[in-house]
Amino acid sequence: GAGVSQSPSNKVTEKGKDVELRCDPISGHTALYWYRQSLGQGLEFLIYFQGNSAPDKSGLPSDRFSAERTGGSVSTLTIQRTQQEDSAVYLCASSLQGGEQFFGPGTRLTVL
Amino acid sequence: GNSVTQMEGPVTLSEEAFLTINCTYTATGYPSLFWYVQYPGEGLQLLLKATKADDKGSNKGFEATYRKETTSFHLEKGSVQVSDSAVYFCALSDDNTDKLIFGTGTRLQVFP
Repeated sequence: GAGVSQSPSNKVTEKGKDVELRCDPISGHTALYWYRQSLGQGLEFLIYFQGNSAPDKSGLPSDRFSAERTGGSVSTLTIQRTQQEDSAVYLCASSLQGGEQFFGPGTRLTVL
Repeated sequence: GNSVTQMEGPVTLSEEAFLTINCTYTATGYPSLFWYVQYPGEGLQLLLKATKADDKGSNKGFEATYRKETTSFHLEKGSVQVSDSAVYFCALSDDNTDKLIFGTGTRLQVFP
């Protein structure tokens, strides 16, 4: 596609439920990043993929968070047993190695 | 660890006023420096960047110079427009993974 796409655009869930957020990067981009934008914490890095492997997961806030990438393309961020503090906008970005990161529109997650 | 500090907002200006948004960083190695902008209702997009000391990034009338001696990357524009109203994020990239470390963002409001 023309840009990075993310789905859903909005997700409202109840505390304790699991959620999956999807990112479709720009075709051919080998690097993929997840970030989180929240009122209390600003914009923070979560995880980085190079191809299908994740050499840097240092930003994942707890073991309830996991992510995978398949076929060097689509990535899914999963949050298990959601908590209210997980409410945020989750951003995905992709790039050619060493190049400019292009951001998707984000998924706004609200945990009630 | 690496970090970015930028001035808190909001910054409120009249049209055609001069803009400065301060940004300083702490980093090991030689990171690239960026300014990203988030217009209302839109995704994050790269405004300008500089990859080494004394480089000046510029775009849309905005400029920032990579100052190693003061570890700063201040954003400036000589004459702001209402359409510049947005949130501006200063960021640096990690040497190994290119993950971005962001400042907290500065909201700019320009009034006619």
